[in-house]
Amino acid sequence: EADIYQTPRYLVIGTGKKITLECSQTMGHDKMYWYQQDPGMELHLIHYSYGVNSTEKGDLSSESTVSRIRTEHFPLTLESARPSHTSQYLCASSEYAAGRAYEQYFGPGTRLTVT
Amino acid sequence: QKEVEQDPGPLSVPEGAIVSLNCTYSNSAFQYFMWYRQYSRKGPELLMYTYSSGNKEDGRFTAQVDKSSKYISLFIRDSQPSDSATYLCAMEEVFSGNTPLVFGKGTRLSVIA
Repeated sequence: EADIYQTPRYLVIGTGKKITLECSQTMGHDKMYWYQQDPGMELHLIHYSYGVNSTEKGDLSSESTVSRIRTEHFPLTLESARPSHTSQYLCASSEYAAGRAYEQYFGPGTRLTVT
Repeated sequence: QKEVEQDPGPLSVPEGAIVSLNCTYSNSAFQYFMWYRQYSRKGPELLMYTYSSGNKEDGRFTAQVDKSSKYISLFIRDSQPSDSATYLCAMEEVFSGNTPLVFGKGTRLSVIA
């Protein structure tokens, strides 16, 4: 089982609040990712990082921001939560291995509800 | 047109059936082809992957890649209720290192006992 953790697992919060979703991995992976996924719907890449101090926006426009100050930690922040942010947020990490695909290991997800 | 197309289903089959899940793609640079399985309210987990064209078998699962047709398949033999999940295909360019995986939308499968 992959060692990638997300907290909180569930969060219900009011509109306008600032929230930070935590993601940590103990595998020493350089690459980390944040995806947004509505129930029964496809994964949307919102942010990724290829190492410390590296962050990129993904395919889905997002009002969130990320930081990568430590290899193992990749938090996602919403400055002002809105009901449209209600979704599941999945964190993943991967590492290059010669001759192998970049297998992504996913965390259990944070289910966010903004009221 | 999206780079990876996958029929979202849902697909419902009786226990013991052979299941075929498919994806098509447009980027000829893709070399690694993966299948992820996602149970309800969980993160996806890698089921198997293949490099370039050909078949790969792992127990009841067989992954098949036809690069000439830009078409990949996952076959599940003797399907079980525990196989009920969403199956996502994913692809990447060889040695790209700098582009994330491209995922299909996922196909929701239900195996009925």
